[in-house]
Amino acid sequence: GQQVMQIPQYQHVQEGEDFTTYCNSSTTLSNIQWYKQRPGGHPVFLIQLVKSGEVKKQKRLTFQFGEAKKNSSLHITATQTTDVGTYFCAPRGYQKVTFGTGTKLQVIP
Amino acid sequence: NAGVTQTPKFRILKIGQSMTLQCAQDMNHNYMYWYRQDPGMGLKLIYYSVGAGITDKGEVPNGYNVSRSTTEDFPLRLELAAPSQTSVYFCASSDQLNTEAFFGQGTRLTVV
Repeated sequence: GQQVMQIPQYQHVQEGEDFTTYCNSSTTLSNIQWYKQRPGGHPVFLIQLVKSGEVKKQKRLTFQFGEAKKNSSLHITATQTTDVGTYFCAPRGYQKVTFGTGTKLQVIP
Repeated sequence: NAGVTQTPKFRILKIGQSMTLQCAQDMNHNYMYWYRQDPGMGLKLIYYSVGAGITDKGEVPNGYNVSRSTTEDFPLRLELAAPSQTSVYFCASSDQLNTEAFFGQGTRLTVV
């Protein structure tokens, strides 16, 4: 079955530093979504990537979908304390909607 | 619109007790999902439904049951609660498989 790994599992950064999380799948994906979960909160949708090699930006966040559609990344430029939380990738395909293992981001002021 | 509503928000169960976690959505979404999230961990899919009357198992269905008699409601049933079922349970819905999923606020369940 489909397996999705996210790295790193945890990341501590100084405020203002950049941050990247990677999502790697063992199978080709039809598309991929990214979610953010604040501490004590519920996952909130950020974006969806569909096309091979696609790059999308949301202010300081840059999302990429690999050429082979087996991996994806989320890059945050100049992190802020409001970026704290866990970032999940969520591959979409078939009917079983699964989530990656998540990357927990801590931002040190 | 309320979106996805889960009740209760918190619950403590004794081993062997049963309960139903309620989930309702008012967006007329076809797809609904139940996930569990253990402390510091990711989301594991328990069950999902692609429409009223249709349900299927996810990654970790053992110990749970679901039904989907209406488009709006997707309750999750725990028959014989075990400590291993201590977790936060999230219900979610989406219009289609490949569209944004909306999550409820979660139910924090402790089995003692």
